[in-house]
Amino acid sequence: KNQVEQSPQSLIILEGKNCTLQCNYTVSPFSNLRWYKQDTGRGPVSLTIMTFSENTKSNGRYTATLDADTKQSSLHITASQLSDSASYICVVSRSNDYKLSFGAGTTVTVRA
Amino acid sequence: GAVVSQHPSRVICKSGTSVKIECRSLDFQATTMFWYRQFPKQSLMLMATSNEGSKATYEQGVEKDKFLINHASLTLSTLTVTSAHPEDSSFYICSAFSLDTLAPYNEQFFGPGTRLTVL
Repeated sequence: KNQVEQSPQSLIILEGKNCTLQCNYTVSPFSNLRWYKQDTGRGPVSLTIMTFSENTKSNGRYTATLDADTKQSSLHITASQLSDSASYICVVSRSNDYKLSFGAGTTVTVRA
Repeated sequence: GAVVSQHPSRVICKSGTSVKIECRSLDFQATTMFWYRQFPKQSLMLMATSNEGSKATYEQGVEKDKFLINHASLTLSTLTVTSAHPEDSSFYICSAFSLDTLAPYNEQFFGPGTRLTVL
């Protein structure tokens, strides 16, 4: 069973609208949670990284939240742009071996 | 953030040949590099962990004799797919990592990926 679950699997939104992606994890021992953006045919690019003590972190129009008690995170995209069309991957790092556990990703399609 | 490059970005080869993919950390020394494989519409799957100067550690189900990894320096790791077959066609991504015990977290920086197509 995947230790990082993302929802929805995909979504389509109109340009200018907001959306929120969800991530639940069971990875332990927890070190940090990251959100990556991956364009088709490219490597993942880091959007945010949060440690246990951080509840929210923003990077431009991207805002991530983390609830370490419930082991849930969200990524909110504000005022979406066509260039936001990509796969968004939730990744959790373990503190004992630094290996990353990847979610399956949410494919976001922004339409004009 | 730090820059990680991969070469080549795309490669097409005949079945039975070997292909070498390079992963370089351009502006920092990477104590560890990870190699991932990603099939269409799937997430990244860790293949192996490569530490400079030592043998790579392979994940379960990954053939070490088929996927040869060399991490000869702190800025370069190579993945060689030996005797490639069509089922090896995939997107191969490396990441570079430098352990900094003083940092609140240790970032992994991903390369842009290499698309391998085996005919």
